[in-house]
This record gives sequence, C-alpha cells and structure tokens, in this order.
Amino acid sequence: DTGVSQNPRHKITKRGQNVTFRCDPISEHNRLYWYRQTLGQGPEFLTYFQNEAQLEKSRLLSDRFSAERPKGSFSTLEIQRTEQGDSAMYLCASSTSTGGEKLFFGSGTQLSVL
Amino acid sequence: GDSVTQMEGPVTLSEEAFLTINCTYTATGYPSLFWYVQYPGEGLQLLLKATKADDKGSNKGFEATYRKETTSFHLEKGSVQVSDSAVYFCALPYSSASKIIFGSGTRLSIRP
Repeated sequence: DTGVSQNPRHKITKRGQNVTFRCDPISEHNRLYWYRQTLGQGPEFLTYFQNEAQLEKSRLLSDRFSAERPKGSFSTLEIQRTEQGDSAMYLCASSTSTGGEKLFFGSGTQLSVL
Repeated sequence: GDSVTQMEGPVTLSEEAFLTINCTYTATGYPSLFWYVQYPGEGLQLLLKATKADDKGSNKGFEATYRKETTSFHLEKGSVQVSDSAVYFCALPYSSASKIIFGSGTRLSIRP
C-alpha cells in the first residue's frame, strides 16, 4: 500500500493554458474525491467518483473543470483556460464505500497560475 | 446548510502545555464528527472520530467529545510535543456521507 499518489507536485502555468493533474488512489478503494484548498482555508469539495461513475459535482466546479476516472482506478482533473483564481492546492482522496467517512489524502498538486 | 466553525490560529504553545482547539458544528441530525491533521509536507489524515452524541474519540493522546447540547467537538491534549506541530481540521460528513466538509483549519506550533 503506497498511499494516494498525486502528480505533479507543483505546476506553474500561464493564464489561459490548460493543465491536467493525475491521482492514483489506494488500489482497493472504489471512491475517489477531488478537493481544492487555498491558503488558510480547509479543503473544499469539488467532485467524487464511485468506481468510474462521477456521482456528485460541487457548484464550485465551473465548466472549465472536468474530471474523469475512466477505468475506476486513477483519475484526472483538467482545468481549461486557467485563471489566476484557480491557483490553489488540489487534493485527491480515496476511501472504501463502507469506510467513506475515513478519507486517505494525497499530498496534493500545487497550482500557480501567472 | 451543514458546516463547521473552528477557532482561528495560529496557536503557539510551549512543549508540555495543555491544548484546546475549539470546534462547533451546524448539522441536520447527529452526524459523525472528525478531526483531521496535516503534518508539514504530508497529506491530511484522520486523527480521531466520534460517531454519536457523548462519544469520545481519542488517538495519539488527543481527545474530543461529541457534545450535542453545545454542538461542539473540541480537540484537547494534556501535554503537547513539538511533533504535534501541524494544521488541525474539524470535519463532518455531508449529503449522506458522500463527502466530508472541513473547517478552515487551525495551525498549531509547539516551541521546545
């Protein structure tokens, strides 16, 4: 069990560019979550998957954001036409469906939009 | 809607001091309550939980009691160590436990 892995750890991009982040959850976990965290705040829920199905999306998730989990294993989060306000730490977490209240988090991807 | 409010930091204490970090919640019904911790350079991890009123969660010397009469879940430790320096988040499940919502976090620094 290597834990939840996120790549890259850091991403610096220019405004208007597209970025994609990857999350590899713990292998036996069928739930996968994306959160966003800004400085001095707690994580804010963005979306979650049960296996390959995206079951819930936050109203925070604009049309520029899309997440996929095509085979029910790893997931990608893409942000199109990035804006400076997208700068944040993007966190991935996973859990089992029966232990859904205990999330296992990755170390996050820090996005800086210049 | 459901939410958690926790005391603002940063909190700085000397080693072996007593710690309290306040957390209050607003929720429909009586959900489970959690404390998560984020050590420097690491991902958030569950520190402790309580699943019903009057339950006490405990782990690593930390304790928190689920108080429905005051809608609180304060985190306490009798004698903190330098290694306890981290950011602490109070949290509760939302929307039939499909997700967890977090407080804004309290940064704790312990001086040797």
